[in-house]
Amino acid sequence: AQKITQTQPGMFVQEKEAVTLDCTYDTSDPSYGLFWYKQPSSGEMIFLIYQGSYDQQNATEGRYSLNFQKARKSANLVISASQLGDSAMYFCAMREGRYGIGSARQLTFGSGTQLTVLP
Amino acid sequence: NAGVTQTPKFQVLKTGQSMTLQCAQDMNHNSMYWYRQDPGMGLRLIYYSASEGTTDKGEVPNGYNVSRLNKREFSLRLESAAPSQTSVYFCAIFLAGAADTQYFGPGTRLTVL
Repeated sequence: AQKITQTQPGMFVQEKEAVTLDCTYDTSDPSYGLFWYKQPSSGEMIFLIYQGSYDQQNATEGRYSLNFQKARKSANLVISASQLGDSAMYFCAMREGRYGIGSARQLTFGSGTQLTVLP
Repeated sequence: NAGVTQTPKFQVLKTGQSMTLQCAQDMNHNSMYWYRQDPGMGLRLIYYSASEGTTDKGEVPNGYNVSRLNKREFSLRLESAAPSQTSVYFCAIFLAGAADTQYFGPGTRLTVL
């Protein structure tokens, strides 16, 4: 089974509107972290936001917020007031397990959502 | 890119040729990673190194070898390149902090003919 599922291959949003990018995850580990990365056409991977499994509140970073619904195993990214520069591929990722010396802490990625912001 | 450099930026190989992708960090972090990204897909882990002198396989290690000779550098070697290894390769480091996340280098775009 896929550990990270992003069901929207492509999304369009009008400039200045809000948009939600969906992400569902699958893990039996009680300790995990969820991440969103942005990949513009230039190709670099840019870290946007993080949510820990034990965090009580939804994470926010500027115009980005993470709608974390633990029981539904979803971690949707909300971008408010979209800008043309937000056009990019967005990846949801998960790290399972606790931290510890020598632990791998590797990330598992979804297949991404291509967001296009329309003027 | 949080002090992560990758060389080369682009490379074209013929089937059967070998090459080494270099990754270096200037942040003194223990954990380093190699991922590949195929068109229309997310990143998949090839190998990682939790600390200097140790390496472990990730999800897609076949056809690759790695070397972590010192804390700063983590290299990825293709001994006999195949067209299926055409991909973009990213090196990443683990940054401990509030998010405990990974920061990525700029990537190497590899084409195997």
